[in-house]
Amino acid sequence: GQQLNQSPQSMFIQEGEDVSMNCTSSSIFNTWLWYKQDPGEGPVLLIALYKAGELTSNGRLTAQFGITRKDSFLNISASIPSDVGIYFCAGREVSTGNQFYFGTGTSLTVIP
Amino acid sequence: NAGVTQTPKFQVLKTGQSMTLQCAQDMNHEYMSWYRQDPGMGLRLIHYSVGAGITDQGEVPNGYNVSRSTTEDFPLRLLSAAPSQTSVYFCASRQDGNTEAFFGQGTRLTVV
Repeated sequence: GQQLNQSPQSMFIQEGEDVSMNCTSSSIFNTWLWYKQDPGEGPVLLIALYKAGELTSNGRLTAQFGITRKDSFLNISASIPSDVGIYFCAGREVSTGNQFYFGTGTSLTVIP
Repeated sequence: NAGVTQTPKFQVLKTGQSMTLQCAQDMNHEYMSWYRQDPGMGLRLIHYSVGAGITDQGEVPNGYNVSRSTTEDFPLRLLSAAPSQTSVYFCASRQDGNTEAFFGQGTRLTVV
């Protein structure tokens, strides 16, 4: 199946710092999604992107659909302790229709 | 609204036993999916359904069966549990094909 490379695998940052993570695929995608997962919970959708170059914000979170259609980026500004969790990217290939593929996750720790 | 409800939350099975993981949604969504989440890997699609009476295989379907007799319910059956099926299972639902939006809280399954 499709492999999504998500980096970094983990991050330890000070409260107030900005965070950047990215996701790349080996094929062209028509949808990129970003999720946050807390321990013992299911993923919660943060941002959805549908067009190459699209830049979308949700509060302190901003995500971009890469122009090549093979990557996406998530930025978190001015991090706070409740940002702690695992962030996943997911995407859908142009050719596979209804299936979404997920990245391996970025574990974020915010130090107060 | 309850959203997506999964039962049970935890389950231990012996190798060879069978069981059904339940998933119900009250949002009248057409699309429902089952994923498994393993350490170090992203969520992987097992089976999905685009409407009542219609199911299809995802990336890792072997050892699992599904049915979709109603819009609300999408049970996942393990026919003969194996240790390799030890995982956390998530059910998801969405109204259309564009976004995997709503996840349940997960079922943590251990096969011994």
